[in-house]
Amino acid sequence: EDQVTQSPEALRLQEGESSSLNCSYTVSGLRGLFWYRQDPGKGPEFLFTLYSAGEEKEKERLKATLTKKESFLHITAPKPEDSATYLCAVQNGLSYGKLTFGQGTILTVHP
Amino acid sequence: EAGVTQFPSHSVIEKGQTVTLRCDPISGHDNLYWYRRVMGKEIKFLLHFVKESKQDESGMPNNRFLAERTGGTYSTLKVQPAELEDSGVYFCASSQSGDTQYFGPGTRLTVL
Repeated sequence: EDQVTQSPEALRLQEGESSSLNCSYTVSGLRGLFWYRQDPGKGPEFLFTLYSAGEEKEKERLKATLTKKESFLHITAPKPEDSATYLCAVQNGLSYGKLTFGQGTILTVHP
Repeated sequence: EAGVTQFPSHSVIEKGQTVTLRCDPISGHDNLYWYRRVMGKEIKFLLHFVKESKQDESGMPNNRFLAERTGGTYSTLKVQPAELEDSGVYFCASSQSGDTQYFGPGTRLTVL
């Protein structure tokens, strides 16, 4: 069974204080690893897809990286508007489509 | 381009009643998914449609849940009869290729 564990559960940063969120996974043949952002009362908003170890993707202050066992979401010089829950999900090569999610990391950035 | 829409945004019902949730995917997306998040837990997969056919319904909790996708367009998820443990947020997502899934805002269901 696919499993995704995210850490920490919650992270409080000062504006400008860079940090990283972790997503550890076990999956039967990784088809893709996905990062989403979720704001309160809204649905998950797509950020990145990573397909193979060594791959990196960037968007504004966010950078996602992937190894064979985990993914990191690096946040550089965060702003208060980056406050949200960040979700990691995996898709395996056997079950077409189904995403397995972690519990998420709640990020709060203080001004 | 319009995103995934869901209706209603909130529903409060009594135990034993029936509720029907609706999802309109992004136009042209053949793949439609239902997920659910119950209090304190992670988002969990319920089922996957490709056009009007059920590709994977391994996450459906029991036979009180019935999902349909008429003509391969919108989808409905009916819970009948509802139980207390069905409370949670139900998300719908769609994708064109089965890869990146775009989520709707969710329907918050409360069963009293």
